[in-house]
Amino acid sequence: AQTVTQSQPEMSVQEAETVTLSCTYDTSESDYYLFWYKQPPSRQMILVIRQEAYKQQNATENRFSVNFQKAAKSFSLKISDSQLGDAAMYFCAYRGNSGGSNYKLTFGKGTLLTVNP
Amino acid sequence: EADIYQTPRYLVIGTGKKITLECSQTMGHDKMYWYQQDPGMELHLIHYSYGVNSTEKGDLSSESTVSRIRTEHFPLTLESARPSHTSQYLCASMSAGSGYTFGSGTRLTVV
Repeated sequence: AQTVTQSQPEMSVQEAETVTLSCTYDTSESDYYLFWYKQPPSRQMILVIRQEAYKQQNATENRFSVNFQKAAKSFSLKISDSQLGDAAMYFCAYRGNSGGSNYKLTFGKGTLLTVNP
Repeated sequence: EADIYQTPRYLVIGTGKKITLECSQTMGHDKMYWYQQDPGMELHLIHYSYGVNSTEKGDLSSESTVSRIRTEHFPLTLESARPSHTSQYLCASMSAGSGYTFGSGTRLTVV
């Protein structure tokens, strides 16, 4: 079974600074996707960024980028120029890409990010 | 704007009541999922569906049941609510080639 581990229950960053959230995963599949989701106090689950396992290039979305290390099964999220609106719970998630995985998302336990003004 | 809708957004009910949480999507996605988010914020898959008349139990055992009579509709029912059912329930849909789309969630409190 796939597992996703986020070892940082809480992180804090100063506004305008950079922060990196860690995520490791375990899988025997070769074809899969990795995601970072943001959940603000409204509890809406918002997709931040996604990475296809077959792509060597790290995904980037504006101030958000990932460091995907497939051999190490590591998938960290870097937030640059942090803003107050970035404060939220961040979840790392895994999804297999075969029918046998049922395409279900497996989530880590989350990292609560605080942004200090 | 949301293409997947969950109602109600908040619900407080007494123990022993029967409730149905509604989830509807307008994207024609075949796959739909229910996740339970406990007060500690962990997310657990409790039900999923591949399409009409297809429902499966997820990783976390749940006393709830689901149905999928129409592609766009995936309601979740609790026959007799208990305080241990207090959680946020998130519905999501997906189709091949697209990512997940989540609803806004239903925050259920059983007193």
